[in-house]
Amino acid sequence: QSALTQPPSASGSPGQSVTISCTGTSSDVGGYNYVSWYQQHPGKVPKLIIYEVNKRPSGVPDRFSGSKSGNTASLTVSGLQAEDEADYYCSSSAGSNNLGVFGGGTKLTVL
Amino acid sequence: QVQLVESGGGVVQPGRSLRLSCAASGFTFSSYGMHWARQAPGKGLEWVAVIWYDGSNKYYADSVRGRFTVSRDNSKNTLYLQMDSLRVEDTAAYYCARGVWIADYWGQGTLVTVSS
Repeated sequence: QSALTQPPSASGSPGQSVTISCTGTSSDVGGYNYVSWYQQHPGKVPKLIIYEVNKRPSGVPDRFSGSKSGNTASLTVSGLQAEDEADYYCSSSAGSNNLGVFGGGTKLTVL
Repeated sequence: QVQLVESGGGVVQPGRSLRLSCAASGFTFSSYGMHWARQAPGKGLEWVAVIWYDGSNKYYADSVRGRFTVSRDNSKNTLYLQMDSLRVEDTAAYYCARGVWIADYWGQGTLVTVSS
C-alpha cells in the first residue's frame, strides 16, 4: 500500500492552466481506470471532482479534467480561479482485494 | 439529500478503544460500499478501511490491520469503526465516505485524539 506520488505544490496565475501529476504503478494507477481526484479547501471536507480517470460529477466545472497515461494520472485545471486554491489528492484502486491508495496531496496556489 | 454523520470521536489514552459510528440517510445504504478515511493534523488523506455493501468483504490499511474492525448494520443505516489498541499516531479526523472505488459523498468527520 505505497502512496501515489504527487508534487507537493503547484501554482498558476488566474486564467492559466495547471496540471498536477499522480504517479503509481501497474498495480494501481496503471492497472485500473478507477482514478479519482479530490479537492479539499482548508478546514473543509474532501470533495470528489474527477472519478474513473476523466469523469466529472454533476456540478463540477468543466475547467477540471482528468487523464491517464501508463502509471501516471493527471488533473488539469484550466482557466484558474481564486477559488481553485486548495489541496488536491489523487486516489486509485489497487485491485478488488485491496484498499485503495491516496497520493500525498498537492497544494495548488493561485498567484 | 445524501447525509453522512460521524460520531464517537474524542480523547483517549494509548492502548484504549473507541468506536466510531456513521449514520447514513438520503440514499439506499444497503446498496453501497462504504469507506473510512482519516487525516492527521496537517497531513494528507489515508484510506483506513472499506466494506462491501453487504459486509461480505472488508479491507484495511496496513497501519490499522489487526487493530481496527469495520462493520455495518444495514437495518440501522449505520457504519462502524471499532478501534482497539489505539496509538498516538492514530490521532486524526476520521471520515466516512460513500462508495468503494468512488467516494462521492463524505461526512463532516469526527476527531480522534490519542494522548496520555
